[in-house]
Amino acid sequence: EDKVVQSPLSLVVHEGDTVTLNCSYEVTNFRSLLWYKQEKKAPTFLFMLTSSGIEKKSGRLSSILDKKELFSILNITATQTGDSAVYLCAVVPAGNNRKLIWGLGTSLAVNP
Amino acid sequence: DGGITQSPKYLFRKEGQNVTLSCEQNLNHDAMYWYRQDPGQGLRLIYYSQIVNDFQKGDIAEGYSVSREKKESFPLTVTSAQKNPTAFYLCASSSPLARDTDTQYFGPGTRLTVL
Repeated sequence: EDKVVQSPLSLVVHEGDTVTLNCSYEVTNFRSLLWYKQEKKAPTFLFMLTSSGIEKKSGRLSSILDKKELFSILNITATQTGDSAVYLCAVVPAGNNRKLIWGLGTSLAVNP
Repeated sequence: DGGITQSPKYLFRKEGQNVTLSCEQNLNHDAMYWYRQDPGQGLRLIYYSQIVNDFQKGDIAEGYSVSREKKESFPLTVTSAQKNPTAFYLCASSSPLARDTDTQYFGPGTRLTVL
């Protein structure tokens, strides 16, 4: 059965810390991996990863994919209280439908 | 502004009543989705539609129904057969023809509480 596992499930850090969130997957016919940020409402898109070893970067956030070891990481440097959210990972299998396989998310709390 | 709208934001219903949640998008996306989110359970797919007048069941379709008569609209009806309907409902859309074809964009959600 296809699955996506995120770790840790929750994390509490202080402002300024650097955090690394993990997303591992077991999916038949991998196509791409997506990261979202959810702050008590709709998930907002962060990154889409399709190739191993190519870092995607947006400000203090970055992400990379390892298709050999079947995982992705999301890094947040110099964390701010506004980074507090649930970070969701989803994998898109190859095929004609668009059914994403979602992880349970990592809940990040950044304390001042 | 292009985007996805859901209404209402909050909805309260008595047990045994059917209720319809609205989802509209002006992104010209072909595919639309309905998810349910419960604490600790992540996003679970209820129904999805890849084209007008066609839709498929997701992982938890029992007790729900949808229609897709227009490209922009994908309403979800929560019927009285749904045993535990209180949840946060999210609508999303994507475009198979776009550069970011796999990315789903979400509406603001509807929080349904059944009393």
